[in-house]
Amino acid sequence: ILNVEQSPQSLHVQEGDSTNFTCSFPSSNFYALHWYRWETAKSPEALFVMTLNGDEKKKGRISATLNTKEGYSYLYIKGSQPEDSATYLCAFKSGTSYGKLTFGQGTILTVHP
Amino acid sequence: GAGVSQTPSNKVTEKGKYVELRCDPISGHTALYWYRQSLGQGPEFLIYFQGTGAADDSGLPNDRFFAVRPEGSVSTLKIQRTERGDSAVYLCASSSGGGADTQYFGPGTRLTVL
Repeated sequence: ILNVEQSPQSLHVQEGDSTNFTCSFPSSNFYALHWYRWETAKSPEALFVMTLNGDEKKKGRISATLNTKEGYSYLYIKGSQPEDSATYLCAFKSGTSYGKLTFGQGTILTVHP
Repeated sequence: GAGVSQTPSNKVTEKGKYVELRCDPISGHTALYWYRQSLGQGPEFLIYFQGTGAADDSGLPNDRFFAVRPEGSVSTLKIQRTERGDSAVYLCASSSGGGADTQYFGPGTRLTVL
């Protein structure tokens, strides 16, 4: 059974704060790591797909890093805005799992104005 | 273009009834996935189709769950003799292939079994 863990479970920050959360995953048989943002009543939105150790990806104020040797990824949000409030999910794909993604339980971010 | 759509958005049923959940993937996407999310957890894999065939159905919890994709486009997830524990959000996703391709998700169907 693959174990994908995210921390913290929830986070409250003030508008303008920068924040980050962690996703840990198995360091063996790595294929890809996905990040999604899921706002209430909407579809999960793809943020990043990361495949190479040391990868860094950026989309606006959001960025992510990947360490496949130690099995973790960080997601950073710079200058949080209320519209960033959502659940952030990471999902691991192993080299033998065909299309299957194994998700963490998510980090619920609330940004207060 | 149009994203992944799922119908119905909400389904309330009684224990023991049969339900069907529908997924319309992005046009041209050959890969289609079903996941379900229970309260407080991340989405959990159910089944993956490549074209018309199920490439991996290892996540289906038992034989009450079945999914089809007869023409390689629309898929239907079928649940027989529903139980209260089946209550969850059922998510469908599609991608242009396998590998590390982004999976694009629909808004989900919230199933409530009374």
